[in-house]
This record gives sequence, structure tokens and C-alpha cells, in this order.
Amino acid sequence: QSALTQPASVSGSPGQSITISCTGTSSDVGGYNYVSWYQQHPGKAPKLMIYDVSNRPSGVSNRFSGSKSGNTASLTISGLQAEDEADYYCSSYIGFNTWMFGGGTKLTVL
Amino acid sequence: EVQLVESGGGLVQPGGSLRVSCAASGFTFSSYWMNWVRQAPGKGLEWVANIKEDGSQKYYVDSVKGRFTVSRDNAKNSLYLQMNSLRGEDTAVYYCARAGFTSGCDFWGQGTRVTVSS
Repeated sequence: QSALTQPASVSGSPGQSITISCTGTSSDVGGYNYVSWYQQHPGKAPKLMIYDVSNRPSGVSNRFSGSKSGNTASLTISGLQAEDEADYYCSSYIGFNTWMFGGGTKLTVL
Repeated sequence: EVQLVESGGGLVQPGGSLRVSCAASGFTFSSYWMNWVRQAPGKGLEWVANIKEDGSQKYYVDSVKGRFTVSRDNAKNSLYLQMNSLRGEDTAVYYCARAGFTSGCDFWGQGTRVTVSS
């Protein structure tokens, strides 16, 4: 099974909003409400930003939000800040207690 | 404070074996599924394996089935990944991660680097 499809890169200016998409199939993203999003700064471990499509863990800024429509999940970051510059990965349940990540998106804050 | 500390990484020849470990603290280890996730140099994240709270269920990505074995020792608050028949494409940083939510690993270790090369 191929990785979930994410854009290789997105960019935005401070204060703007950006959206990162994560496209799968009806067997993964579209079939379950089990999509999560991770932020990873260079040389660091990933950090959970969104779980179960649209829930934020305690301590994550409300500037981060998640949604899903059909086979595509999305992460929206509003009020972009310099520290948001990082790699972002989506992840989805794919059945039989197994999981898959997207290929990752590099966010550049201009 | 929740902490996950991986160890055991290193350089191994193709076809060789290695066991990486993850020491957990700051939470009730036996109450959580645990995962191994890896990241090849300059590449994205790849889910590798997970294990149920009591170790009774284990699941793997297809590329490691039959070669890797995930296990845990709840008495020692430790997670393990035994890797056999290692290949160059197994070269990566290996992270252990707690499955704190239905979908979502809420705590991650700092990773341990495994290099498969002759």
C-alpha cells in the first residue's frame, strides 16, 4: 500500500492561514475517523498536533485544526508564526490494527 | 513526566541482527499500546509495528514481517524491537511512541539510529 498523498511543500506569510491535504482512499482516510497529524522540527521527534481527525491534545494551540471530507483529510494552521515552520505528517488507520503515514509536507513561513 | 528513552542502535552488517529497546517512565506502561516508527535519512515517517497492552497482539508493516519482532516487558516498563535479516533499507532512526489516543501517538522518544552497511 502506498503512502498517503501530501503536497511536498506549502508556504505562507506570518499571520496567514495555510491548509495541508492528506489524500488516501476509502480503505484508509475515507473509511475511518482515525487520522492524526504530526509536526516535526529538524532533528527532533514528531509531536502530535491532531488526533481522531479534529481533536487537539492538551497544550496544542487552537491555531491548529483538522477536518476530513471523503478520502481527504486536512490540517489548517491559522495565524502562521515563524515557529510553525516544520515538516508535517498525516497518519491514518488502514485496518487490522495497522497504520500508515503520509509522505510529509515541508511548511515554509516566508 | 512521561519519558521514553530508546537505546541499542548502531552499525550492523546486512543480514545481521540488532535489538533496540525503549525504557518508559512517568506513566502506567501496561495500560497503553506501544508503537515503533522509523525514519530513513532525509525521508518521511514509517509505522513499523505495534503491540497491545498485555503483549497478546502484535502487528507489523509488510516490509518487516517475518524479520522483526516487537515485544514488551511490563514488569520492566520496557519495549523492544528485535530486528533480524537486516537490509540497507532498514537504515533509519527508530522511535518508540505511546498510543495515547485512538489514533495518535502522544509521546515519543528521541530515537535511536540504526545503520545497516558493510
